[in-house]
Amino acid sequence: GAGVSQSPSNKVTEKGKDVELRCDPISGHTALYWYRQRLGQGLEFLIYFQGNSAPDKSGLPSDRFSAERTGESVSTLTIQRTQQEDSAVYLCASSFLIAGGTDTQYFGPGTRLTVL
Amino acid sequence: ILNVEQSPQSLHVQEGDSTNFTCSFPSSNFYALHWYRWETAKSPEALFVMTLNGDEKKKGRISATLNTKEGYSYLYIKGSQPEDSATYLCASMNTGFQKLVFGTGTRLLVSP
Repeated sequence: GAGVSQSPSNKVTEKGKDVELRCDPISGHTALYWYRQRLGQGLEFLIYFQGNSAPDKSGLPSDRFSAERTGESVSTLTIQRTQQEDSAVYLCASSFLIAGGTDTQYFGPGTRLTVL
Repeated sequence: ILNVEQSPQSLHVQEGDSTNFTCSFPSSNFYALHWYRWETAKSPEALFVMTLNGDEKKKGRISATLNTKEGYSYLYIKGSQPEDSATYLCASMNTGFQKLVFGTGTRLLVSP
């Protein structure tokens, strides 16, 4: 595709509900990343996938967060039993290949999640 | 864990002014430094990826320098234009922590 796409663009949910965020990376990009930015904070790494390797989940803040990726395509980030502190902009990025950190990451427009 | 800091937090300049801001990062085990521009309601856009001490990169009116020994990078904008208004993010990676760690950004507003 032309770029990384994410859906929905905005999501308002009630505390305790589950939400699912979707990311469609650029075709051919083997690496996919999820980040979030809470108000007043920097972009926070959550998880990345590279090809068929086991994902690096070290940034997930709790076991309420999980993510899946089907091959080298779509990824879904799921947040169970949402809490107000989960409110943030969730960004997805993809890159062609992790070449020691010098690959440009291409970001999607983000999903703004608000937990009431 | 890396701690990446950016300053100033925000900046307001007039059209035509030149400006610069700073990204500080731990110099030990440095591997790469990325700069991104994030305009409101758009996706962050990559500006530069820098790896070597003394690197200087340029894209139009925007340029960046890198000092890996002292752990800082400068981003310069020459002759700021209103369309330069955005948040400028830097992110660092070191060899012991193979993920980008982002700073909180510098928010630039350029008034006509």
